[in-house]
Amino acid sequence: SQQGEEDPQALSIQEGENATMNCSYKTSINNLQWYRQNSGRGLVHLILIRSNEREKHSGRLRVTLDTSKKSSSLLITASRAADTASYFCATVSGGYQKVTFGIGTKLQVIP
Amino acid sequence: GAGVSQSPSNKVTEKGKDVELRCDPISGHTALYWYRQSLGQGLEFLIYFQGNSAPDKSGLPSDRFSAERTGGSVSTLTIQRTQQEDSAVYLCASSFDRVAKNIQYFGAGTRLSVL
Repeated sequence: SQQGEEDPQALSIQEGENATMNCSYKTSINNLQWYRQNSGRGLVHLILIRSNEREKHSGRLRVTLDTSKKSSSLLITASRAADTASYFCATVSGGYQKVTFGIGTKLQVIP
Repeated sequence: GAGVSQSPSNKVTEKGKDVELRCDPISGHTALYWYRQSLGQGLEFLIYFQGNSAPDKSGLPSDRFSAERTGGSVSTLTIQRTQQEDSAVYLCASSFDRVAKNIQYFGAGTRLSVL
């Protein structure tokens, strides 16, 4: 099964609202990353949080990591229609730095 | 190049034919990955290259799938005797190395349709 599992699988919100996506995983990690994928395009790296970090910010993005619960959340504040995309978490684990992607959350921001 | 380049962007083939998908990674990136993404699904890992060798090919779904990388740069994913279930978007990514943060840079993908 996928190492990372995003929740919800689909989310629809109004422009200006905040969007929260969650990711759960099963094994210990070195770091966790979030990626974004616009329809028909490749993935673009958004933010990385190391296993010894609890929270990280980048512009309108806020990522939290709870290693005791093996979960992470991505918060997008003041959403815009252009934020409409699929968002994937990716765990990096082991000495081999293996990257495993989740199934993604499809976010729709309605103007 | 400036980014990861994949070709062709779209490929339509008949069941039973062989196809080759190409990935040109970012110059200087030693690690290269292939993934498969079915419609509306997540990414399925296929194979990882470090230089020209493939230390992890655990995701290749069958012996019809193979990949190689030459000169530590361009990689080719070959699917022999294609089946309809092979229809998907095949994504390639590269990273500077696997030791550091392992941030991956993706190409736009090749959309394969097997009729």
